Amino acid sequence: AQSVTQLDSQVPVFEEAPVELRCNYSSSVSVYLFWYVQYPNQGLQLLLKYLSGSTLVESINGFEAEFNKSQTSFHLRKPSVHISDTAEYFCAVSAPKDMRFGAGTRLTVKP
Amino acid sequence: NAGVTQTPKFQVLKTGQSMTLQCAQDMNHNSMYWYRQDPGMGLRLIYYSASEGTTDKGEVPNGYNVSRLNKREFSLRLESAAPSQTSVYFCASSPGGRLYTFGSGTRLTVV
Repeated sequence: AQSVTQLDSQVPVFEEAPVELRCNYSSSVSVYLFWYVQYPNQGLQLLLKYLSGSTLVESINGFEAEFNKSQTSFHLRKPSVHISDTAEYFCAVSAPKDMRFGAGTRLTVKP
Repeated sequence: NAGVTQTPKFQVLKTGQSMTLQCAQDMNHNSMYWYRQDPGMGLRLIYYSASEGTTDKGEVPNGYNVSRLNKREFSLRLESAAPSQTSVYFCASSPGGRLYTFGSGTRLTVV
């Protein structure tokens, strides 16, 4: 069965510092992986996805994630964060009938 | 471009009361989903509908019922609300693959 583990529940970081949000998955079939972002009192928005092809995927706002099959990981990174990146981030893996989500990582960017 | 619309946005119920959460999408998607979000647990699937006329249980269906009224609408009903159903509920739709669009959520409190 597909499942996702997000290794950090909270990540505090200072503005302009790099950040990595860690995600490990388990799946017995072909993997499709996603990162979603949730700003306060809003729904989830797709940040980036890995479906096939290049193992490094990027978002329009500077985040990137790398699919690592040998380590079953899909960590999210950004070289320099902004205050506006403060949000909760969810890693997800596609299952046969739905999508399985991790417990979430709350990223707090401090000035 | 509305996407997925959920109503109401907030609701307070007394234990034992019933209510229906409404969800509508205007993207002609085949599949629709109801998730609940609880702190530290991510999103868990309650029910889903792979296509008009079909519904299936997800991970946490107890205490809920659903209706896929037509292709656009997918409602979630709580027949006798319990405090354990206090949560944020998200509706999502997809064209039948792996790209989900989420509504903005319904924050439900059962007292």
